[in-house]
Amino acid sequence: DGGITQSPKYLFRKEGQNVTLSCEQNLNHDAMYWYRQDPGQGLRLIYYSQIVNDFQKGDIAEGYSVSREKKESFPLTVTSAQKNPTAFYLCASRNRGRLDEQYFGPGTRLTVT
Amino acid sequence: GDSVTQMEGPVTLSEEAFLTINCTYTATGYPSLFWYVQYPGEGLQLLLKATKADDKGSNKGFEATYRKETTSFHLEKGSVQVSDSAVYFCALSDQYQGGSEKLVFGKGTKLTVNP
Repeated sequence: DGGITQSPKYLFRKEGQNVTLSCEQNLNHDAMYWYRQDPGQGLRLIYYSQIVNDFQKGDIAEGYSVSREKKESFPLTVTSAQKNPTAFYLCASRNRGRLDEQYFGPGTRLTVT
Repeated sequence: GDSVTQMEGPVTLSEEAFLTINCTYTATGYPSLFWYVQYPGEGLQLLLKATKADDKGSNKGFEATYRKETTSFHLEKGSVQVSDSAVYFCALSDQYQGGSEKLVFGKGTKLTVNP
């Protein structure tokens, strides 16, 4: 089955450590996205990539970094510079030219203590 | 910039009640409009969409009509079920945002349906 895989489902880290969240898709989609979800704040865009080896900052990119070395993979690193990293992180993808059909992964809940 | 405002929840209804979740937007250009649903512990799923004025999106008994004159896209369902309990997000996608292509989401409305 085609889809988006995010792993792990739950992630725990100590403050001051960098952590990388995985996102893989086998939908052959060009564009990929990372969102952060906090209670009562909806989804906020962290980074997005419309093509391999290219990505753009979203609305809340500070303290995060990404790479897009392969079409199917778009890992997100939460660095120690991110002040409030505890959140639910969602990855999404879509085909270029199909603005409407954005598919989401199941999410990773990151807890930093 | 573009924005989406949807009614704050939580919304609690009894089974078979009528549902309305209000959504209004501000945008330059001609956005497409969407409703996404998120069940507990899961990612978002596209529920329905409308790409131009007066279009009606529908799916699983839910409907929403793209009203350009009132900049609204309210979600309705005539008879809700317990299985409809979820968080609902209104969103817009504007392809004229300086070349960028992204969705702008409302804050979400949590719906609980009691038997």
